[in-house]
Amino acid sequence: EPEVTQTPSHQVTQMGQEVILRCVPISNHLYFYWYRQILGQKVEFLVSFYNNEISEKSEIFDDRFSVERPDGSNFTLKIRSTKLEDSAMYFCASSAGQGNTEAFFGQGTRLTVV
Amino acid sequence: GESVGLHLPTLSVQEGDNSIINCAYSNSASDYFIWYKQESGKGPQFIIDIRSNMDKRQGQRVTVLLNKTVKHLSLQIAATQPGDSAVYFCAENSHDYKLSFGAGTTVTVRA
Repeated sequence: EPEVTQTPSHQVTQMGQEVILRCVPISNHLYFYWYRQILGQKVEFLVSFYNNEISEKSEIFDDRFSVERPDGSNFTLKIRSTKLEDSAMYFCASSAGQGNTEAFFGQGTRLTVV
Repeated sequence: GESVGLHLPTLSVQEGDNSIINCAYSNSASDYFIWYKQESGKGPQFIIDIRSNMDKRQGQRVTVLLNKTVKHLSLQIAATQPGDSAVYFCAENSHDYKLSFGAGTTVTVRA
């Protein structure tokens, strides 16, 4: 069964450093997303990406955040100048169609900023 | 403003009984709803979805009901099993490119 894969599973970084979270979406999907989940809270939308550009982003996705699809298989989330409050689980998701089709989620990357 | 929420944060159910998890939403323009299951340390796992032109949809041991009049969504799990213990989230497509998640209900199955 196809799945979304994310690496690393856990990332620890010093405050102020840059991190890159990596995702390999399902191969025939066209829409890609990043969500985050602070411990014990609900899943929050960060950004959606289609046709090599951002479709929508939330208020969380500020100037420190960026996404990229550097090749035909990877989808990355970069966070610059990390803050303590960036600590969360980050989930990548992909879907074959727009928002009214099933989005498949990866297992997540736990980001800890110290 | 739009919001998606769950009526109860926790639900304890006896193994073999049926479970009902409820969700309220406020955006009447939402046209697609999904239930996700999240086990500890894992990502959300799709359970079942429903579009706004339907009021009921059934899957394997699960049924989703949609009441657009009162903006209410529910997930029914038949014959609940220990493996059903998880956090359950409802989510709505409030915009073409994103899902809005509710707060989650933790389901604990008692043996």
